Amino acid sequence: EPEVTQTPSHQVTQMGQEVILRCVPISNHLYFYWYRQILGQKVEFLVSFYNNEISEKSEIFDDQFSVERPDGSNFTLKIRSTKLEDSAMYFCASSEAKGIRAEAFFGQGTRLTVV
Amino acid sequence: LAKTTQPISMDSYEGQEVNITCSHNNIATNDYITWYQQFPSQGPRFIIQGYKTKVTNEVASLFIPADRKSSTLSLPRVSLSDTAVYYCLVGDGNTPLVFGKGTRLSVIA
Repeated sequence: EPEVTQTPSHQVTQMGQEVILRCVPISNHLYFYWYRQILGQKVEFLVSFYNNEISEKSEIFDDQFSVERPDGSNFTLKIRSTKLEDSAMYFCASSEAKGIRAEAFFGQGTRLTVV
Repeated sequence: LAKTTQPISMDSYEGQEVNITCSHNNIATNDYITWYQQFPSQGPRFIIQGYKTKVTNEVASLFIPADRKSSTLSLPRVSLSDTAVYYCLVGDGNTPLVFGKGTRLSVIA
């Protein structure tokens, strides 16, 4: 079964450092997403990406965040200057079509710890 | 965006049938009802989707009454491995995939 893969599975970084989280969506999918989940809290939407541009973003997705599809397979989330409160599990997802109507496939997540 | 309401948590013993109800009073004509499951430390996983009446797959059944203002996810004979958070989402192709707090199901031996 095709799957979304994320790397690394764990990342520890110092406050103020830049991190890049990587995702390989399912190959024929067109819509890509990033979510985060702070320990014990709900899954929070960050951003959706389609046709090489951001289609929607939440209030959380401020100027310190950026996304990119640098080649035909990878989808990345960059956090420019990490803060302690950025510590969370970050999930990438992809789907063939947009919105709730389409089944979204999630990766296993990257656990980011900012110290 | 149709607002959904579901219980915060539920407990069940192994082998029982579990029914989780979601209220969505302002569901629109084009909206579908979708459920996701999230195991601890994993990403959400699509379980089932329906528009009306009943939908069944290998994991669960989804019951939707005629007025569509609520829906019930039914998990037959749960096991410990069904312990997870279950999310009800309502919308169409233009509705972003945004999760609420979900229902935390704990299955007890």
